[in-house]
Amino acid sequence: GDSVTQMEGPVTLSEEAFLTINCTYTATGYPSLFWYVQYPGEGLQLLLKATKADDKGSNKGFEATYRKETTSFHLEKGSVQVSDSAVYFCALSDIQGAQKLVFGQGTRLTINP
Amino acid sequence: DADVTQTPRNRITKTGKRIMLECSQTKGHDRMYWYRQDPGLGLRLIYYSFDVKDINKGEISDGYSVSRQAQAKFSLSLESAIPNQTALYFCATSEPGQGARNEQFFGPGTRLTVL
Repeated sequence: GDSVTQMEGPVTLSEEAFLTINCTYTATGYPSLFWYVQYPGEGLQLLLKATKADDKGSNKGFEATYRKETTSFHLEKGSVQVSDSAVYFCALSDIQGAQKLVFGQGTRLTINP
Repeated sequence: DADVTQTPRNRITKTGKRIMLECSQTKGHDRMYWYRQDPGLGLRLIYYSFDVKDINKGEISDGYSVSRQAQAKFSLSLESAIPNQTALYFCATSEPGQGARNEQFFGPGTRLTVL
């Protein structure tokens, strides 16, 4: 079945550092890809999304590009802030049928001032 | 007001007890989902419903049941709670549609502890 693998956490960076969180997927079709963020004590919020190969999703300074050839959707940000501390989830959804979300295990990010 | 609400937000119960978690939404979406979150495992789908008359099992439905009382309400029940059902539970909603339209909107979660 479909699956998502994220880089192991936790990740700890200093403010203004460059961030990459790796995400790769396995899917039989052509899924839509998502990054969700979970701030402490809250539910998940959609951070960005991409629906086809070579699409770039972006929001709040974060970017991710749908790479079909490497089945990847890595999350990047050029300069992180303390307020970016959260858990980040990569997810896919098939475009046919039930359109269920399949999540990676999550990566906890902590940004130190 | 929040679009997707869950009650209770926290619950401690004992092994063998029946417990119900409730989810309500004001987004007008037809599709609703229940997930559980465990450390290091991400979110896993328990049940989902595409309308009031449609209920489907997800990846980990054993030990759970659901009820879709109305378009806006989707309840999750644990008939006889056990300690390994201790987790954070999330409800989500979405519209039908392809690609980015199947974005899901999440409630704030219910933290359940089974002693």
